[in-house]
Amino acid sequence: SQQGEEDPQALSIQEGENATMNCSYKTSINNLQWYRQNSGRGLVHLILIRSNEREKHSGRLRVTLDTSKKSSSLLITASRAADTASYFCATVDFSGNTPLVFGKGTRLSVIA
Amino acid sequence: DAGVIQSPRHEVTEMGQEVTLRCKPISGHNSLFWYRQTMMRGLELLIYFNNNVPIDDSGMPEDRFSAKMPNASFSTLKIQPSEPRDSAVYFCASSFGFQPQHFGDGTRLSIL
Repeated sequence: SQQGEEDPQALSIQEGENATMNCSYKTSINNLQWYRQNSGRGLVHLILIRSNEREKHSGRLRVTLDTSKKSSSLLITASRAADTASYFCATVDFSGNTPLVFGKGTRLSVIA
Repeated sequence: DAGVIQSPRHEVTEMGQEVTLRCKPISGHNSLFWYRQTMMRGLELLIYFNNNVPIDDSGMPEDRFSAKMPNASFSTLKIQPSEPRDSAVYFCASSFGFQPQHFGDGTRLSIL
């Protein structure tokens, strides 16, 4: 069964705008990860946030985690056409010893 | 680092034929995962190996599916006999333990 559920399913923005994607999950986690998938390619790991962390940055990416609401958000600032891709969240359960469970992703289109 | 290598990239075959998908994980990684991706069901974990040993194959849809990992540098996913509903993109990913996963670019399988 799907653990992470991304919202929205699709998002279209203009280049230069910020893009925010949300992820909700159901059970206690050890960490939450965000991945990107370009068309016709495999997933690429972007960032990992642990359950005891609230916010993490990597370049133009900002991830937040609210364990009380069982939700996370991925913010991409100053978006570029090259950011066009599908974005997935994935969780590792509390034990830390189980494989990732992926959501169905958010399809982001950045229009130049 | 050559990344995870999957072959073939595309496979088109007729229903009832045997299909073998291949994966070479990143050297030094001790966990290997097989996923299937479809529009309807998203990314599903089929099976994963740790130190060449199958740990959880509960995601394998039917007995027609089998996976092997004879050594640390090679794994196969076999479907016999294949059916049209097996059409999907199949991904292999590897990691060290449950660290972030590295994905191959997938095999796009079409069963006619």
